[in-house]
Amino acid sequence: EVQLLESGGGLVQPGGSLRLSCAASGFTFSSDAMSWVRQAPGKGLEWVSLITGRGEDTYYPDSVKGRFTISRDNSKNTLYLQMNSLRAEDTAIYYCGKHDGSHYGSEYFQNWGQGSLVIVSS
Amino acid sequence: EIVLTQSPGTLSLSPGERATLSCRASQSVSNSYLAWYQQKPGQAPRLLIYAASSRATGIPDRFSASGSGTDFTLTISRLQPEDFAVYYCQQYGSSLSFGGGTKVEIK
Repeated sequence: EVQLLESGGGLVQPGGSLRLSCAASGFTFSSDAMSWVRQAPGKGLEWVSLITGRGEDTYYPDSVKGRFTISRDNSKNTLYLQMNSLRAEDTAIYYCGKHDGSHYGSEYFQNWGQGSLVIVSS
Repeated sequence: EIVLTQSPGTLSLSPGERATLSCRASQSVSNSYLAWYQQKPGQAPRLLIYAASSRATGIPDRFSASGSGTDFTLTISRLQPEDFAVYYCQQYGSSLSFGGGTKVEIK
């Protein structure tokens, strides 16, 4: 059974940094691309980053490019999201998501974690 | 960036009725790389459909989907009590993006 468990969320001041982790189990971690998706309170879903299976390529939307960095440690089956220069509008539940492979056309979210809440406030 | 617009914003229906949800893209979605998700309050989203019309593992056949190009549809043939939720579409043909969601509520 695929399991994704996020951790590292919490309260941070504007301009601060936070690193989220996502521990994966139940599948061959290095075979699948992974993403982070966030959901602001009462709002819809927003994709914030993707990393390929071996970690060779990363992708971001303009809203977080230059501030967020996605990475993975395949030896530890763990995905990370380093978030810098945080803003109030980054307040959201952050989900890690597993894709169905690491090739074009596999980037739908086959599995999701339960999420980690990040609150950016002074 | 492909912008996905879902309609209606809210759909009020009774159990047993048919639900038809729309997802329209600002430009053609390559290879019909479009997925649908269901999200219930306090839960993570769940994959229903990928590649526009393929049901994910374990999804009941009352869920069906179709479409290509810029227009996609999710249909729930006979609403069950557990189907009342928010539904999102997502395209992955050009980067990734989500629609704003359609809430299916009990009438």
